[in-house]
Amino acid sequence: DGGITQSPKYLFRKEGQNVTLSCEQNLNHDAMYWYRQDPGQGLRLIYYSQIVNDFQKGDIAEGYSVSREKKESFPLTVTSAQKNPTAFYLCASRNGLAASSYNEQFFGPGTRLTVL
Amino acid sequence: QQPVQSPQAVILREGEDAVINCSSSKALYSVHWYRQKHGEAPVFLMILLKGGEQKGHEKISASFNEKKQQSSLYLTASQLSYSGTYFCGTERNYGGSQGNLIFGKGTKLSVKP
Repeated sequence: DGGITQSPKYLFRKEGQNVTLSCEQNLNHDAMYWYRQDPGQGLRLIYYSQIVNDFQKGDIAEGYSVSREKKESFPLTVTSAQKNPTAFYLCASRNGLAASSYNEQFFGPGTRLTVL
Repeated sequence: QQPVQSPQAVILREGEDAVINCSSSKALYSVHWYRQKHGEAPVFLMILLKGGEQKGHEKISASFNEKKQQSSLYLTASQLSYSGTYFCGTERNYGGSQGNLIFGKGTKLSVKP
């Protein structure tokens, strides 16, 4: 079955540590995205990538880093510079840039990160 | 440039109807609607494109008023399974947004027996 997987489902981090969240898709989608979700805030874009070896900052990129070495993988690192990292993180992918009738965005199941 | 959703929350009895609105201050190319259950990933419901084309769900419909830069999601004869938080994601023209979706803060819908 095609889809997006994220791991781990739950992650605990001590202050000062970097952690990496995994996102893999087998949908052969070009574009991949990372969102952060806090209660009452909706989904806010952290980083996005439209092609391998290229990515851009979203609205709240400070304290995060990404890589896109393979089409199917888009890991997110939450660095110690992120002051309030406790949140629900969602990865998504989409088939290309051109909006069309069927160009929906698919989401992974999410990773809940808690800073201890 | 985050779209504004209204209402923030709504409580329904089974069988009742609801309307959720999504408004943007910028011209839009498309509007996407998602429903999210607590702790789960958002699930796709609808896409509405500039020009009127849409892809949707059997029991859920939506409209897109390009001039007013707003979209409305219509939930008719609501079922318990409709409960969740509904998000609209707006997509601007490809000048600088690169096709990214900007999401509203969500509307929490609760359907009671």
